[in-house]
Amino acid sequence: DAKTTQPDSMESTEGETVHLPCSHATISGNEYIYWYRQVPLQGPEYVTHGLQQNTTNSMAFLAIASDRKSSTLILPHVSLRDAAVYHCILNSGGSNYKLTFGKGTLLTVTP
Amino acid sequence: GGIITQTPKFLIGQEGQKLTLKCQQNFNHDTMYWYRQDSGKGLRLIYYSITENDLQKGDLSEGYDASREKKSSFSLTVTSAQKNEMAVFLCASSIGGLQDTQYFGPGTRLLVL
Repeated sequence: DAKTTQPDSMESTEGETVHLPCSHATISGNEYIYWYRQVPLQGPEYVTHGLQQNTTNSMAFLAIASDRKSSTLILPHVSLRDAAVYHCILNSGGSNYKLTFGKGTLLTVTP
Repeated sequence: GGIITQTPKFLIGQEGQKLTLKCQQNFNHDTMYWYRQDSGKGLRLIYYSITENDLQKGDLSEGYDASREKKSSFSLTVTSAQKNEMAVFLCASSIGGLQDTQYFGPGTRLLVL
């Protein structure tokens, strides 16, 4: 069973700021929220991750709700290169090393 | 930064054939992984290795062997390719330890005729 819920697709225009939502209502206290993105013929690319606090890096801003039951990946000023499937996943580490990817959100960017 | 290299990029095999996929990383990461990705599905973990010469089975290990002879390399063998099988095999690595970020290679695309 998927532990995260994301919209199947979202559309944007170049230069816009995009908000990609993710719901994880049953998240455990030791689970980190990870975001990866994937384009055809490439492996998944790490975007960002967080536990409780909002995080930011050169690629994106991750906003995590105070109850940790949802998060939003914010992509500022998207370009055509940001078009990809974005995966929101939970990773608790420990003896469970595997990452479980769902279908993710297909982000389409138009000129 | 570092990079993960997977060879070959494309692999075409025959039914029943033994096929080997290779993965190299120069991150100096301890842990390496092999995943399988089928069209329209998520990732499934085949094998992982937390250090040189270590092997741990994932959810999909049946039909596969793996080998971690060096810290920087992790190979996967399909012991008997299945007819009409088509999938992408992804190698990843992480520093090691709990909740570490996994970095992925570009994948090897397998087609069995």
